Amino acid sequence: QQQVKQSPQSLIVQKGGISIINCAYENTAFDYFPWYQQFPGKGPALLIAIRPDVSEKKEGRFTISFNKSAKQFSLHIMDSQPGDSATYFCAASFIQGAQKLVFGQGTRLTINP
Amino acid sequence: KAGVTQTPRYLIKTRGQQVTLSCSPISGHRSVSWYQQTPGQGLQFLFEYFSETQRNKGNFPGRFSGRQFSNSRSEMNVSTLELGDSALYLCASSWGPGSDEQYFGPGTRLTVT
Repeated sequence: QQQVKQSPQSLIVQKGGISIINCAYENTAFDYFPWYQQFPGKGPALLIAIRPDVSEKKEGRFTISFNKSAKQFSLHIMDSQPGDSATYFCAASFIQGAQKLVFGQGTRLTINP
Repeated sequence: KAGVTQTPRYLIKTRGQQVTLSCSPISGHRSVSWYQQTPGQGLQFLFEYFSETQRNKGNFPGRFSGRQFSNSRSEMNVSTLELGDSALYLCASSWGPGSDEQYFGPGTRLTVT
């Protein structure tokens, strides 16, 4: 019940295309859903996050879509660029325990020029 | 504002030894969390400290321990190292309970031989 399942494991997208990464969770008590971006040799960097009281959040080219009834959320990267090539992790936690993040397995995204 | 710093960045130890890793959070942040990242298990929560007290603990053996000092700096210790402890150990800081956003350091790469 504590798991977050992420798909796909790897994704190749052409420059300018839309990258979509999906996550599903089981524990309905989760109420904070961040996405992290990690480059080789670096720690994960917070990209964008959402709470379940909204269905969508957009920041620049990055959008989170959230479906509470389906217990799913996804990251959309519009106009994908080669610099977006990285590993992306979805995560979930409880607001009061937000420091304890449960991570998905990660998606290695490659943007071809 | 300086980010989260971790020392050392790389470490090689022998089975049976013990190791201590250090983390300095972002100035003003009082909560520090530790995560283990491996290719097989992904990112897993170890423990979280706030105001020198352990608030949350993940599912790791007692060989893994930590502490936090009055200046919010934190250390984690692994005793009786095993080959399977080889991983990237990440520290994340946040303002404290109820604060969503966690910011990660670059990690300490531990290799156990």
